[in-house]
Amino acid sequence: GAVVSQHPSRVICKSGTSVKIECRSLDFQATTMFWYRQFPKKSLMLMATSNEGSKATYEQGVEKDKFLINHASLTLSTLTVTSAHPEDSSFYICSARNPRHAYGYTFGSGTRLTVV
Amino acid sequence: AQKVTQAQTEISVVEKEDVTLDCVYETRDTTYYLFWYKQPPSGELVFLIRRNSFDEQNEISGRYSWNFQKSTSSFNFTITASQVVDSAVYFCALYMNRDDKIIFGKGTRLHILP
Repeated sequence: GAVVSQHPSRVICKSGTSVKIECRSLDFQATTMFWYRQFPKKSLMLMATSNEGSKATYEQGVEKDKFLINHASLTLSTLTVTSAHPEDSSFYICSARNPRHAYGYTFGSGTRLTVV
Repeated sequence: AQKVTQAQTEISVVEKEDVTLDCVYETRDTTYYLFWYKQPPSGELVFLIRRNSFDEQNEISGRYSWNFQKSTSSFNFTITASQVVDSAVYFCALYMNRDDKIIFGKGTRLHILP
């Protein structure tokens, strides 16, 4: 149990376009999901906390208008990279808090975004 | 300050050797959780262990063992009789109850040489 599905796993897009990444909790409801960004050979940086039915909480330095987060249901959160630029190329990982386990977090398999 | 320090950026050992990955953390919280995750080349994060701040018992799971010492704010991870499949990046992470979020160390890239 406790599976988080992230889609797509890889995406290549042109500069100026927008890309949507989906994060789904498959067998549990997640009121809170988290979005991380990982640069090559670097650590995971928390971008924002996504709360079902309310606005996301962004970490300092993360552009809200650039990285749009929507958590419309208890099983789905989406991250949209708007007007993508090459510097947005990165590995994005989502995580969902699994209520069955105290402070248990399940991570998606990640999305490798390349902006050309 | 709240942070997780993994001082070892990269480690290489020969198969069957034991290896210890260090993790030192800082937090102002009295209630917190510590984690270790494995990230193989495919990119997904594999959960290895969670330890709460009130439980300093060491834990062993097969070839893996963890040593949690609050006195030194350390949560070290040892792999015994390493195998090539253990090659990955390992992240130590801290969940802070007050901030309700997890922060990660920079990771240690482990190479197990055949």
